[in-house]
Order: sequence, then structure tokens, then C-alpha cells
Amino acid sequence: AQRVTQPEKLLSVFKGAPVELKCNYSYSGSPELFWYVQYSRQRLQLLLRHISRESIKGFTADLNKGETSFHLKKPFAQEEDSAMYYCAAFTGAGSYQLTFGKGTKLSVIP
Amino acid sequence: GAGVSQTPSNKVTEKGKYVELRCDPISGHTALYWYRQSLGQGPEFLIYFQGTGAADDSGLPNDRFFAVRPEGSVSTLKIQRTERGDSAVYLCASSLALAAGTDTQYFGPGTRLTVL
Repeated sequence: AQRVTQPEKLLSVFKGAPVELKCNYSYSGSPELFWYVQYSRQRLQLLLRHISRESIKGFTADLNKGETSFHLKKPFAQEEDSAMYYCAAFTGAGSYQLTFGKGTKLSVIP
Repeated sequence: GAGVSQTPSNKVTEKGKYVELRCDPISGHTALYWYRQSLGQGPEFLIYFQGTGAADDSGLPNDRFFAVRPEGSVSTLKIQRTERGDSAVYLCASSLALAAGTDTQYFGPGTRLTVL
């Protein structure tokens, strides 16, 4: 079955420290991968997508097909980065449904 | 412009009752999605509409769940004979249904359903 795995439920880092939120996927073929973020009392929103190779709010994510991973990274964490982060995959094939991981709560300690 | 809206924001009902949850997508978005998020889990796909038709309903857990989008805009998720296990946050999203990796789903605030 198609699956997205985020092994950490909670990740705590100090302000200014590097951040890496892990995401692994198990799919046949080449899925499209995304990171969604949910800040406190806000709705779920797209952070970045792998196809764009963009950097949003200092976050980047590289697709590693060999390790089937799409880890989210930021060199220097900020307090405002504290939120729930969800990795998601879209496999197309006639459907636009997203498969989400369980999420990782990032807590940045001042 | 206005984002995706969902009503009600909270719904408390008794086991066995019928509930309807409403979603108003972003104007012009042809695709609409329903997801369910249980405590400690990520959103789980329920159903996807392209226009008025359900293009993929493979995520609906059983025949107690049904969704409609009669005019290709507002959608209603209907749950019959509710069970305690249906308690969750029901999320709606909409998008322009662009090519795979470039499409962005915009989420509503969710409806928190509690079945007593």
C-alpha cells in the first residue's frame, strides 16, 4: 500500500539550531511530494512542493529516490517555525487525493 | 479573496443521529476534496469531486458516508447513523486541479465532529 511515514511525533530544537523533519515514502513510480504546515489556530497550508525546488521561509526539501525520502530542512530554526508539519504525497493516476503522514510537531525553544 | 469555508465549526451529536457538514470552496476551483483527521493522525482522504461528479470516492469508509456537490460549488458531506468512531475533524479542500505536482490544495478550517 502507498504510505508516507514521519517517524518523529515531536521534535524540539533550540532557536538558531538546524532542523530536519524526516519523511519517507513507499510508492511505486515517482510520486509528487509536498510539505504542509499548520500553525497554531490556523488552517493547513502548503509549505513547499518538490517539483518547484523552492525555498520557503528558509525551508528546503530534497527528494532522494534511493532512500525514498523527502526530508524538510532549515539551517537556523526560528520561534515562529513552531507548528505541525505534514509530509504528503500525490500519486496522480486519475486522482488528486493526497496521502499524508501522521505529522511532526516542531517546537523551537527560545 | 475568501478562502475555503466550512460550517459548522463544531458539531456535537448523539450516536445513531444523522449529520451534514458543509463546505464552500474557493470561487472558480473545480476540484473539491474531503479529508478526515482523527486525533494524532494526518488527514485521510475521503472523496474528491471534479465539478459535480465524484471522481474518486475510494476513501469513504462505508455506506454511511455520502457526499454531494450538485452545482459544482458547495459540497455537503452526509453521515448516517453516526458512531463514536466517526468523531474527528473533517477537512475540506479545493483546488484548480492543475497538473499533478503543480496543483495546490487549499484547506478550510475544518468541522470538529463529536459523537457522544
